[in-house]
Amino acid sequence: DIQMTQSPSSLSASVGDRVTITCRASPGFSTYLAWYQQKPGKVPKLLISAASTLQSGVPSRFSGSGSGTDFTLTISSLQPEDVATYYCHKYGSAPPFTFGPGTKVQIK
Amino acid sequence: EVQLVQSGAEVKKPGESLKISCEGSGYSFTDYWIAWVRQMPGKGLDWMGIIYPGDSDTRYSPSFQGQVTISVDKSIYTAYLQWSSLKASDTGMYYCVRQHSGHPFDYWGQGTLVTVSS
Repeated sequence: DIQMTQSPSSLSASVGDRVTITCRASPGFSTYLAWYQQKPGKVPKLLISAASTLQSGVPSRFSGSGSGTDFTLTISSLQPEDVATYYCHKYGSAPPFTFGPGTKVQIK
Repeated sequence: EVQLVQSGAEVKKPGESLKISCEGSGYSFTDYWIAWVRQMPGKGLDWMGIIYPGDSDTRYSPSFQGQVTISVDKSIYTAYLQWSSLKASDTGMYYCVRQHSGHPFDYWGQGTLVTVSS
């Protein structure tokens, strides 16, 4: 089975800060990696697919990169509405479709 | 408009059975997989399994194999998640979500809260 880890598990940053979340997969795979944002009490929202493709309507301050075993989600300038938990997710055509444990982002 | 509408919240006792549903609309129901995702209180997302309504092909996460049953009735565009004997540890929010093969999970149901308590 693929194991997904995320770091950090939580972070607190100031408005305007650059925030980076890392997702590591073992074993690695190609770029079937998505990032979801889940705000408290809400349904997860797809932000990025194929490791780096921003979904329509998602602010451009969000970006993704990586392939193989290491992936990154970056928020270039943190905004108050970005307070949420972020999950990486391995998808594709062959299960299992494992989620990372999540990274909770808060405002300092 | 694509929608996945789930059945309402349930409160059950340990040992009871339960079947929750997810009705799809606004797209070709038999062309997309439906996955089930668990979220225990205050915890992360757990992929449970997935079913293809076109032919009922079903895959389970090893963690959930034998613990739940995923099924579908394509005549009424509805997928199901069922338990034969609930445990307190089954308490959580359960989401159904759509997936086109090789693509990420895109549309999510609103979630069904299952509470198992004596």
